[in-house]
Amino acid sequence: AQSVSQHNHHVILSEAASLELGCNYSYGGTVNLFWYVQYPGQHLQLLLKYFSGDPLVKGIKGFEAEFIKSKFSFNLRKPSVQWSDTAEYFCAVTPANSWGKLQFGAGTQVVVTP
Amino acid sequence: GAVVSQHPSWVICKSGTSVKIECRSLDFQATTMFWYRQFPKQSLMLMATSNEGSKATYEQGVEKDKFLINHASLTLSTLTVTSAHPEDSSFYICSATGGLAGVRETQYFGPGTRLLVL
Repeated sequence: AQSVSQHNHHVILSEAASLELGCNYSYGGTVNLFWYVQYPGQHLQLLLKYFSGDPLVKGIKGFEAEFIKSKFSFNLRKPSVQWSDTAEYFCAVTPANSWGKLQFGAGTQVVVTP
Repeated sequence: GAVVSQHPSWVICKSGTSVKIECRSLDFQATTMFWYRQFPKQSLMLMATSNEGSKATYEQGVEKDKFLINHASLTLSTLTVTSAHPEDSSFYICSATGGLAGVRETQYFGPGTRLLVL
């Protein structure tokens, strides 16, 4: 069965620090990859997605993610975080032939301190 | 664009009653909607996929007679929790896609509905 694992459940860092959140999936075929963010009290929002092409994907708010097929990974990065990046981040995967069924990771709670 | 709403945002009900949750796509036609459940400090678990005008497809372990899903129009899907019990208390979230549930569609999520069954 396919699964998605996020390495960290909680991350605390200071403003201007760099952020990297790990995401690994287990699925042998072609996949589509997503990172969603949930700000406190708000609904899930799409940060970025990868379907094909350049494995380095740029999203909103300065986030980017790199798909490394050989490592089954799709890590999220931001060079310099802000306090407003405090949120929960979810990695999600869907096999290319699964009719859109998203498999979510457990989420990583990120807290950025001033 | 691509806004999805849910109603109600929270509901408290007595055990044994039924609760209906609505999911609407406000500015696009959603041929496919998904219903998720999120337990505290856990990730979203897909419950079912519904395509407009057809029966929902339920994930393994989800009771279709307990969680009735109707997708009668391109902008509205409803989830009815029948004979709710305390273990059904959870956060229910819907999402919608603007086309066939295929490879390249992005899901847009609603704000969720918190259900508490007493």
